[in-house]
Amino acid sequence: GAVVSQHPSRVICKSGTSVKIECRSLDFQATTMFWYRQFPKKSLMLMATSNEGSKATYEQGVEKDKFLINHASLTLSTLTVTSAHPEDSSFYICSARDLAGVTGELFFGEGSRLTVL
Amino acid sequence: AQSVSQHNHHVILSEAASLELGCNYSYGGTVNLFWYVQYPGQHLQLLLKYFSGDPLVKGIKGFEAEFIKSKFSFNLRKPSVQWSDTAEYFCAVNGARAAGNKLTFGGGTRVLVKP
Repeated sequence: GAVVSQHPSRVICKSGTSVKIECRSLDFQATTMFWYRQFPKKSLMLMATSNEGSKATYEQGVEKDKFLINHASLTLSTLTVTSAHPEDSSFYICSARDLAGVTGELFFGEGSRLTVL
Repeated sequence: AQSVSQHNHHVILSEAASLELGCNYSYGGTVNLFWYVQYPGQHLQLLLKYFSGDPLVKGIKGFEAEFIKSKFSFNLRKPSVQWSDTAEYFCAVNGARAAGNKLTFGGGTRVLVKP
């Protein structure tokens, strides 16, 4: 199947700093990518929908100024956690839909674990 | 708005036992339904999906799921589990006409298969 890669897989940062996480579709193009957050022992919560060439669409309760999303090309979306705080520590997962694939089928990245000290 | 409910949070069973995980969804229109699996330390993988047609869907690794429209359910089954089936399983739904085809996930079920 199609491959989605995230980088970095793990990152530790100090409180107040910003962290950027990249999501790449390696062998397909994706106009839309999705960013999820997975809390310990809980399910995935959709944070935002990243649209190539336009602004991201954020879910209710997600601060768009804190979680900056950029989708500059058909194969890359980035999530920047600005002024990170310990409560932002979490597992962030991106997914992308293959333009040429079956409608609704998503491919997931391996996730990025953020720890804010 | 769409929502997904998985009834069991944790399931423990022995090898060769049969497995059934419940999933109910709430959505008024046509839906696409999915089961994903997350093995320890690995990323989410698609087990199977239902878009239309035969409501009994067969996926990878011997898993199957049955879509029962009248019950808004999409339960996952495997007749005989193996130790390697230890993982977390997520049911997901997206409304076929939902904006952006966003997936909504259930809370997940952790399955532990004892050897």
